[in-house]
Amino acid sequence: ETGVTQTPRHLVMGMTNKKSLKCEQHLGHNAMYWYKQSAKKPLELMFVYNFKEQTENNSVPSRFSPECPNSSHLFLHLHTLQPEDSALYLCASSQDPRGETEQFFGPGTRLTVL
Amino acid sequence: KNEVEQSPQNLTAQEGEFITINCSYSVGISALHWLQQHPGGGIVSLFMLSSGKKKHGRLIATINIQEKHSSLHITASHPRDSAVYICAVISYNTDKLIFGTGTRLQVFP
Repeated sequence: ETGVTQTPRHLVMGMTNKKSLKCEQHLGHNAMYWYKQSAKKPLELMFVYNFKEQTENNSVPSRFSPECPNSSHLFLHLHTLQPEDSALYLCASSQDPRGETEQFFGPGTRLTVL
Repeated sequence: KNEVEQSPQNLTAQEGEFITINCSYSVGISALHWLQQHPGGGIVSLFMLSSGKKKHGRLIATINIQEKHSSLHITASHPRDSAVYICAVISYNTDKLIFGTGTRLQVFP
């Protein structure tokens, strides 16, 4: 399998649930990203990891908890979310975290919080 | 006001028409990306440019750094071009991507 994969593709959860989103890249990249895409709003960068180390947390609430066990895998652990957290969550990877380096995106996880 | 503005927000066209999507930005940039997002959600990079013009198949991207404006053109549009097109700039100061809200294009047969 090639590219960036995300599971699950769709997720419905209640506000008291705990769930995790998974991202895997098969491109040999060193940087990985989580983005949030809400309706009618620009993509919002949430977290950046470079060589498994978090290099950016864009003021994301603590109910979102990322984990990067190695350069190929990235998780987003979710707990006590709010309905306004419903959005498309996109994972991306790139060779390095410089802005000019092309990012490759996964298909996203469509999250609905009830 | 967003630092990256796209117009129009929504665009419909008949197959074969010439399409133009515009992007204006208010920050200093080192480069600009055009991205395509299909209904399934995945995003694909179309172009990255910092000056002039680039062409790939039926797609043409231009940028005018002085005017802080870029355009994406699609010639001989086809229903498979239906997607959301997103402009993103790389801030010169922060080296971070700043995204526009996207232009939703629908091309009808």
